[in-house]
Amino acid sequence: QKEVEQNSGPLSVPEGAIASLNCTYSDRGSQSFFWYRQYSGKSPELIMSIYSNGDKEDGRFTAQLNKASQYVSLLIRDSQPSDSATYLCAVYRSNTGKLIFGQGTTLQVKP
Amino acid sequence: EAGVAQSPRYKIIEKRQSVAFWCNPISGHATLYWYQQILGQGPKLLIQFQNNGVVDDSQLPKDRFSAERLKGVDSTLKIQPAKLEDSAVYLCATRRQGHTEAFFGQGTRLTVV
Repeated sequence: QKEVEQNSGPLSVPEGAIASLNCTYSDRGSQSFFWYRQYSGKSPELIMSIYSNGDKEDGRFTAQLNKASQYVSLLIRDSQPSDSATYLCAVYRSNTGKLIFGQGTTLQVKP
Repeated sequence: EAGVAQSPRYKIIEKRQSVAFWCNPISGHATLYWYQQILGQGPKLLIQFQNNGVVDDSQLPKDRFSAERLKGVDSTLKIQPAKLEDSAVYLCATRRQGHTEAFFGQGTRLTVV
């Protein structure tokens, strides 16, 4: 079982729609959770962090965390073609300082 | 605040040759990670430093890869000898002590032919 799992996609949504990206993790000791966006040929860019159960909103982005289900998600409202990228879920374990990534989900937003 | 600096940006070498990558972290960032990202995959953690000490190198192929972080600032990652399957982007990320968010450099794209 991979430590952090994501559906590789591609996930295709029309412009203006809500994109929903999901991630599960295996280590219950994980304490901090991140979403990175990676454009083709570029390095990952941190876009969201979440530390406690529930929702965290930042502009068009909402991160959701459910520690009991070991599940993290990212919702992108009013999706734009510029949101087309690979979204990486990352999990941080404070006891080791390790930051582990999933394989990423490719999002395509079609005009 | 300057970001994480990596060099070179691109490198092409023949198999069995050696190569080195350099990373300069954001000022004050004690934790430094090296990741390998093969095309179409997520970043794979190779080695983690806390200041100049290795915290985790369980995924580092130690027969050919080595890394150091002298003085707890800059870090170098070396591959000797390189194999075709080492073709990937090598990413450096750093994190401030007491914080959990990590920031990436631009990466080095290695092609082994």
